[in-house]
Amino acid sequence: DIQMTQSPSSVSASVGDRVTITCRASQGISSWLAWYQQKPGKAPKLLIYAASSLQSGVPSRFTGSGSGTDFTLTISSLQPEDFATYYCQQANSFPRTFGQGTKVEI
Amino acid sequence: QLQLQESGPGLVKPSETLSLTCTVSGGSVSSTNYYWGWIRQPPGKGLEWIGSIYYSGSTNYNPSLKSRVTIPVDTSKNQFSLKLRSVTAADTAVYFCVRQGDGGRSFDYWGQGALVTVSS
Repeated sequence: DIQMTQSPSSVSASVGDRVTITCRASQGISSWLAWYQQKPGKAPKLLIYAASSLQSGVPSRFTGSGSGTDFTLTISSLQPEDFATYYCQQANSFPRTFGQGTKVEI
Repeated sequence: QLQLQESGPGLVKPSETLSLTCTVSGGSVSSTNYYWGWIRQPPGKGLEWIGSIYYSGSTNYNPSLKSRVTIPVDTSKNQFSLKLRSVTAADTAVYFCVRQGDGGRSFDYWGQGALVTVSS
């Protein structure tokens, strides 16, 4: 299985801050990476697919980049509704695997 | 608007079979563009992909669960299901049904989730 490692595990930030989350794959996955946002008690929401493609309806302050083994999710200006847990997921091979999550806190 | 809704027992006894159904509305499980699957999340923990199915019946399962899991599809009812045999307390989780877009690579629609507790 491909292991996905996110850093940091949690980050404290303020409204308006730029936040960057990193995801590293244990082997190369080309650009087959997705990012999700999950709020407490809710299902995850797809933000980014294919490493950098913005899902329809997702604000442009979310950007994804990277290829191979190293990827980043950047929130350019943190909004109150962005406080949540973020997960990366590799889509290169089966089984699909997720990172352990990064909690963005106030 | 596509909607997915999980249904099934919220409590299952150890060694029994966990059965959940996902009803799809606003779309078709017979679509050639998508896969359909299940993901679970133990309380307070991360996400684990369980498996997926194509309308033709072709499946992919997580090897960690493959010996215990089946995901059938019923195109006449526009539903797909999850059957997980011989459950233990470690299978206690919120179970999400999902649509897999982007060639089956990302999970673009999710059900609200169903908490299943394994306990006697």
